[in-house]
Amino acid sequence: KAGVTQTPRYLIKTRGQQVTLSCSPISGHRSVSWYQQTPGQGLQFLFEYFSETQRNKGNFPGRFSGRQFSNSRSEMNVSTLELGDSALYLCASSNRDRGRLSHGYTFGSGTRLTVV
Amino acid sequence: AQTVTQSQPEMSVQEAETVTLSCTYDTSESNYYLFWYKQPPSRQMILVIRQEAYKQQNATENRFSVNFQKAAKSFSLKISDSQLGDTAMYFCAFMMNNAGNMLTFGGGTRLMVKP
Repeated sequence: KAGVTQTPRYLIKTRGQQVTLSCSPISGHRSVSWYQQTPGQGLQFLFEYFSETQRNKGNFPGRFSGRQFSNSRSEMNVSTLELGDSALYLCASSNRDRGRLSHGYTFGSGTRLTVV
Repeated sequence: AQTVTQSQPEMSVQEAETVTLSCTYDTSESNYYLFWYKQPPSRQMILVIRQEAYKQQNATENRFSVNFQKAAKSFSLKISDSQLGDTAMYFCAFMMNNAGNMLTFGGGTRLMVKP
């Protein structure tokens, strides 16, 4: 069974540009969550999509957005990039709706974004 | 809001010895999950062990076990027979049972296993 796939692995962008990151969940998983990891702030939750609907959102500015497609693949977009957006962006997938977590919550290897 | 605190930024242990990583959390919820994740330099976040709050029995996975104290809101990880491959960042994390798939992480503990 293939794991969670994030593309690209590395990305360098210029301040003011926008960027789109992709996450393909494990087959059959309908939930995709996104996290930002930085040395200063640690791991912070960005948002979660379930069956194409955003159902949880972290405390990030509107420049951070996402969407999920009918095949459960998700993208996150950051517009007007700032230097502070440099981070490792991780996504995780699950087949859990609500209630008992009967199966795993699996992370991808992340996308390292550098803003210069 | 939930918070997770890991009070040990760095720890080291000799190969084959036992080490315990600490984690405390704060929540008003009664039904939740707790996790320990390992993140080696490859940056892949790997699940080490998880605990369901309604289960009193402490979870174990081979050399990894937890000491879950629900009343004290404490969730420590014990690694027995430490191996060089255990060198990594370890994160404690919390997930509510009925609010979707959203983890709250602690700040992490960097563990170095020395030969």
